[in-house]
Amino acid sequence: DTGVSQDPRHKITKRGQNVTFRCDPISEHNRLYWYRQTLGQGPEFLTYFQNEAQLEKSRLLSDRFSAERPKGSFSTLEIQRTEQGDSAMYLCASSLSESGYEQYFGPGTRLTVT
Amino acid sequence: KQEVTQIPAALSVPEGENLVLNCSFTDSAIYNLQWFRQDPGKGLTSLLLIQSSQREQTSGRLNASLDKSSGRSTLYIAASQPGDSATYLCAGYNFNKFYFGSGTKLNVKP
Repeated sequence: DTGVSQDPRHKITKRGQNVTFRCDPISEHNRLYWYRQTLGQGPEFLTYFQNEAQLEKSRLLSDRFSAERPKGSFSTLEIQRTEQGDSAMYLCASSLSESGYEQYFGPGTRLTVT
Repeated sequence: KQEVTQIPAALSVPEGENLVLNCSFTDSAIYNLQWFRQDPGKGLTSLLLIQSSQREQTSGRLNASLDKSSGRSTLYIAASQPGDSATYLCAGYNFNKFYFGSGTKLNVKP
């Protein structure tokens, strides 16, 4: 069990650029979640996958955001035409539905849009 | 929409004190509840999970309880240590997602 990993850990981009983040969950976990966290707040749900199927998306996830989980393994979160308001920590978590949905989080990707 | 409130927002205590962190939900229909610890600039570390059939969980100096009828949970930390300094977050699970509070920022002074 190597834990949840995320890449990159930090990303600085200019407004209007596209960025893509990657999450590798714990290998046997069938659920994968993306969250966004801003300073002083708890994580806010963005979307989740059960295996390769994206089952729910938050209204926070505008048309500029897209997430994929091909083959039910790693996942990517892409933000197009970034805005300064997208600056936040993006967290990925995985869980196994058969074990009470206990979530394990990755270290996060800190995005700064200048 | 599920709203989660954590009280207090910040807490500073001397080393060795026992303390209680509180978490409440507007919708008490919570399937399970998880407590996390977050160090500055880091991801979340799972502390305790209370599953749907349980009322409390214990791990070392930590004890968490859940009262589903009132939608409240408490995290009890015994004999606090400076290494316990962090932000503590609770998250309730229902309708296929977790809802998080804003956390309690704990500072344990040596």
